[in-house]
Amino acid sequence: AQKVTQAQTEISVVEKEDVTLDCVYETRDTTYYLFWYKQPPSGELVFLIRRNSFDEQNEISGRYSWNFQKSTSSFNFTITASQVVDSAVYFCALSEARGNKLVFGAGTILRVKS
Amino acid sequence: EAGVAQSPRYKIIEKRQSVAFWCNPISGHATLYWYQQILGQGPKLLIQFQNNGVVDDSQLPKDRFSAERLKGVDSTLKIQPAKLEDSAVYLCASTRLPGQAYNEQFFGPGTRLTVL
Repeated sequence: AQKVTQAQTEISVVEKEDVTLDCVYETRDTTYYLFWYKQPPSGELVFLIRRNSFDEQNEISGRYSWNFQKSTSSFNFTITASQVVDSAVYFCALSEARGNKLVFGAGTILRVKS
Repeated sequence: EAGVAQSPRYKIIEKRQSVAFWCNPISGHATLYWYQQILGQGPKLLIQFQNNGVVDDSQLPKDRFSAERLKGVDSTLKIQPAKLEDSAVYLCASTRLPGQAYNEQFFGPGTRLTVL
């Protein structure tokens, strides 16, 4: 069975600090997809990134970067120079190849203070 | 392109009452999902439709929850009768292509249900 663990319930940082959100997953499939979504106070989940299990290249998009390590079953998300607008709940999710069923972690609340 | 629309945004009911939520996915999106998000938890899939057929309803409490997508476009989720533990945000999502695990899902703003 697939499972996603986000051990950090809540993180508080001061603006301009870097912050890393951890995600550990479990799956028996060899082909799967990992996602990060952001949920701002408005409630709508916003897609940030997708990674497939055969692509372990790290990705950088502006202040966001993602580190995918199959050896440790982790897909961590780093925000560089955090801003107040980054305050939200961040979810890591896993989808196995045989169906488009997303399994979410419990989420990490990120609070960025000015 | 308009996003996923949901209504109402908020609903407060007494336990044992009935409630219905509506979702209109992004135009042309074949697959529609309903999720339940309890406070402090990640969304949990309730039901997945592909066009107007059910793909997965294994986690839908069928004794009280029902959902339909009659014309393969908009969808309604109903709870009858509601229990206190049904208090949650109900999220609707859609994807353009059916049955592809790599598809990003587009989410609506959700309906926050409070059962008293």
